[in-house]
Amino acid sequence: AQSVTQLGSHVSVSEGALVLLRCNYSSSVPPYLFWYVQYPNQGLQLLLKYTSAATLVKGINGFEAEFKKSETSFHLTKPSAHMSDAAEYFCAVGGSQGNLIFGKGTKLSVKP
Amino acid sequence: NAGVTQTPKFQVLKTGQSMTLQCAQDMNHNSMYWYRQDPGMGLRLIYYSASEGTTDKGEVPNGYNVSRLNKREFSLRLESAAPSQTSVYFCASSGRQGDLGAGTYEQYFGPGTRLTVT
Repeated sequence: AQSVTQLGSHVSVSEGALVLLRCNYSSSVPPYLFWYVQYPNQGLQLLLKYTSAATLVKGINGFEAEFKKSETSFHLTKPSAHMSDAAEYFCAVGGSQGNLIFGKGTKLSVKP
Repeated sequence: NAGVTQTPKFQVLKTGQSMTLQCAQDMNHNSMYWYRQDPGMGLRLIYYSASEGTTDKGEVPNGYNVSRLNKREFSLRLESAAPSQTSVYFCASSGRQGDLGAGTYEQYFGPGTRLTVT
């Protein structure tokens, strides 16, 4: 069965600092992996997805994620945080029934 | 192209009352989903519909029923609301004909319904 673990329910960084949000997955088949972002009082929006075409995936708003099979990880990074990046971020893996299985989310705070 | 729409945006119910949450998508997607979001719990799947005419239980189906009215619409019904159903509810859709691989999993979300049961 597929599952996702996001390490750290809250992450705080200073504006301009590196953002690193951690995601580890468990899957018995080659996974399809996603990162979604949720701004306050809104629905989820796709940031990026791993499709096996490349291990380094670039998404919107300067985010990227690297698929590491040996570490079963798909961590999300951004070189320089902006105040507008404050949001909750969800990692997800494709499930056996065509659905998505979500992690519990990481809330990112950005300090001025 | 509105994407996924949900009504209502907000609702307050008394314990025991019933209501239906409506969801519609205009992307010609085959699959539709209902999630609930609670603090610290992430998104939990309530029910999903892989195609028109089919529905299946997800992780937390108790207390809910669904109807896939047609390809566009997927409703969620609470027959007798309980305070434990206070939550934010999201509808999502995915999967166009011809989608392959990750495209079949990529879900598009509505703006949510914030439900309070007192």
